Amino acid sequence: AQSVAQPEDQVNVAEGNPLTVKCTYSVSGNPYLFWYVQYPNRGLQFLLKYITGDNLVKGSYGFEAEFNKSQTSFHLKKPSALVSDSALYFCAVRDPRNYGGSQGNLIFGKGTKLSVKP
Amino acid sequence: DTAVSQTPKYLVTQMGNDKSIKCEQNLGHDTMYWYKQDSKKFLKIMFSYNNKELIINETVPNRFSPKSPDKAHLNLHINSLELGDSAVYFCASSQSGYRANEKLFFGSGTQLSVL
Repeated sequence: AQSVAQPEDQVNVAEGNPLTVKCTYSVSGNPYLFWYVQYPNRGLQFLLKYITGDNLVKGSYGFEAEFNKSQTSFHLKKPSALVSDSALYFCAVRDPRNYGGSQGNLIFGKGTKLSVKP
Repeated sequence: DTAVSQTPKYLVTQMGNDKSIKCEQNLGHDTMYWYKQDSKKFLKIMFSYNNKELIINETVPNRFSPKSPDKAHLNLHINSLELGDSAVYFCASSQSGYRANEKLFFGSGTQLSVL
């Protein structure tokens, strides 16, 4: 069964510093990987996805993520954090081979709270 | 215009009551979902509908019954509400239920509190 892990409950970064939010996954085939962001009292918003091709994926708001198959990771990064980046970040995985049935659900990690201080 | 809208935003009710949450999307998407986010922010899929047909039904008590009158609407009816049903419920949609690379568009959530 597919799964995704976000090992950090919270990441604290000073404004202007680079940030990394970690994500590892478990899928028996080639995964489809996603990052979503949730601001307070809001629904999740799509940031970026990896389907195939270049391992470095660029997304919204200056975020990027690197797919590393050998380490089964898909860490979210940004070169220079902003206070407005403070939010809850969710990594998600889907096994495309099982898509269309219950095994093909988009599985979310537990979320990582990013706090960027001025 | 709000792409995925759900009502109400807040719902406070007594145990044993029956309540409904409505969801509408104006994106022309074929697939709609209900997710439950618990107090620890863990997000889990409940149901998925594609063109008004149920395609995913996770292990959810049968007190929860989704209804899709058309592909732009997916409502969630909950019977005999229990304390453990307290959570934030998110509606979402995607372009097609049969493309695994599709991103989801989420509503802003309905915070259900069962007293």
